[in-house]
Amino acid sequence: EAGVAQSPRYKIIEKRQSVAFWCNPISGHATLYWYQQILGQGPKLLIQFQNNGVVDDSQLPKDRFSAERLKGVDSTLKIQPAKLEDSAVYLCASSFGDGTGELFFGEGSRLTVL
Amino acid sequence: GENVEQHPSTLSVQEGDSAVIKCTYSDSASNYFPWYKQELGKRPQLIIDIRSNVGEKKDQRIAVTLNKTAKHFSLHITETQPEDSAVYFCAAKGVSGTYKYIFGTGTRLKVLA
Repeated sequence: EAGVAQSPRYKIIEKRQSVAFWCNPISGHATLYWYQQILGQGPKLLIQFQNNGVVDDSQLPKDRFSAERLKGVDSTLKIQPAKLEDSAVYLCASSFGDGTGELFFGEGSRLTVL
Repeated sequence: GENVEQHPSTLSVQEGDSAVIKCTYSDSASNYFPWYKQELGKRPQLIIDIRSNVGEKKDQRIAVTLNKTAKHFSLHITETQPEDSAVYFCAAKGVSGTYKYIFGTGTRLKVLA
């Protein structure tokens, strides 16, 4: 089966610019996650969707980050304006059902903010 | 808040030796404990997991043990090979979709040939 697709793989922007990342989960997976992975650290959950509803966004910096999953399938994560500390890999993951099963990760989108 | 501590941060072993990575979690509601392997520049991939109703699970050279009373779990890799070199993450999760995965900080394993 096709895996979790993410784009772009790499993005370099200057601080205060905006960026958007796209994720298409595995077909049939109701739960979608966006994680931020800073170099040398474990993934940190930014937001979790079940279908098109938000389950958890407690760690999403809402003054600059936004995410949507309008049709319950693919999702977009946006950062505006970007800060230097946003440099990280943004991992999208999905799981079947209510999220109790295995997480499948995408390849990630590496963001460098200069 | 919920927290998962992982040790050691780096681990070097000779090929053929065993490697052990330990994690401790804080949320007693956690009942699912996966381990992910992440090779450089690649996505994390599940290598083994354990649920709270068992104390140990083994898959060829990889095993995971769980002590719910002490709230810690460990990954054991026997007969290590160079291709085992990667970063390993543990995670803990509760019973339903509203519980988020909490990841450890990772262990960089180097298997020396």
